[in-house]
Amino acid sequence: EPEVTQTPSHQVTQMGQEVILRCVPISNHLYFYWYRQILGQKVEFLVSFYNNEISEKSEIFDDQFSVERPDGSNFTLKIRSTKLEDSAMYFCASRLNSVISPLHFGNGTRLTVT
Amino acid sequence: DQQVKQNSPSLSVQEGRISILNCDYTNSMFDYFLWYKKYPAEGPTFLISISSIKDKNEDGRFTVFLNKSAKHLSLHIVPSQPGDSAVYFCAASPIQTGANNLFFGTGTRLTVIP
Repeated sequence: EPEVTQTPSHQVTQMGQEVILRCVPISNHLYFYWYRQILGQKVEFLVSFYNNEISEKSEIFDDQFSVERPDGSNFTLKIRSTKLEDSAMYFCASRLNSVISPLHFGNGTRLTVT
Repeated sequence: DQQVKQNSPSLSVQEGRISILNCDYTNSMFDYFLWYKKYPAEGPTFLISISSIKDKNEDGRFTVFLNKSAKHLSLHIVPSQPGDSAVYFCAASPIQTGANNLFFGTGTRLTVIP
């Protein structure tokens, strides 16, 4: 069964550094998402992406964050200058279309900012 | 803004018995609801969904019930198996507004005792 893949599984970075989290969504899916889960808290929406542009974003997704689909397969989340509070599990997800279809999630990247 | 609430952080059930996981929501624009299961170190895995035009959807051992007037949904697992032990997240989406992101609850950890 096709799946969403994320790399790396764990990323450790120093505060102030830039990180790029990578995702390969399911190939025929059209909508792409990033969510995060801070330890012990709920899964929170960051951003959705469709037709090569951001379709929605949350308050968390400030100008330190950006997303890109540089080619036909990868979908990346960049954090320009990481803060301690950015430490979380970051999940990429994709869905076939926007009308009543579930999101399929990757296994996440654990980002640790020291 | 806890638009989706799972008030029970944990639930323990004997193998073979029914597990009932509950979820409440506050946003009347939500019209598509999903349940996800999450194992440690993995992303959420889609289980079952229901749209607001239905009040019940069944898939094997899993049944989701929706009570729109009470803004409540529940997931029934019958019979419960030890492999069902995981964290279960309720999620909702206001598709009718054109939004395509999901709002998650905080999760309920289900433990099925052999």
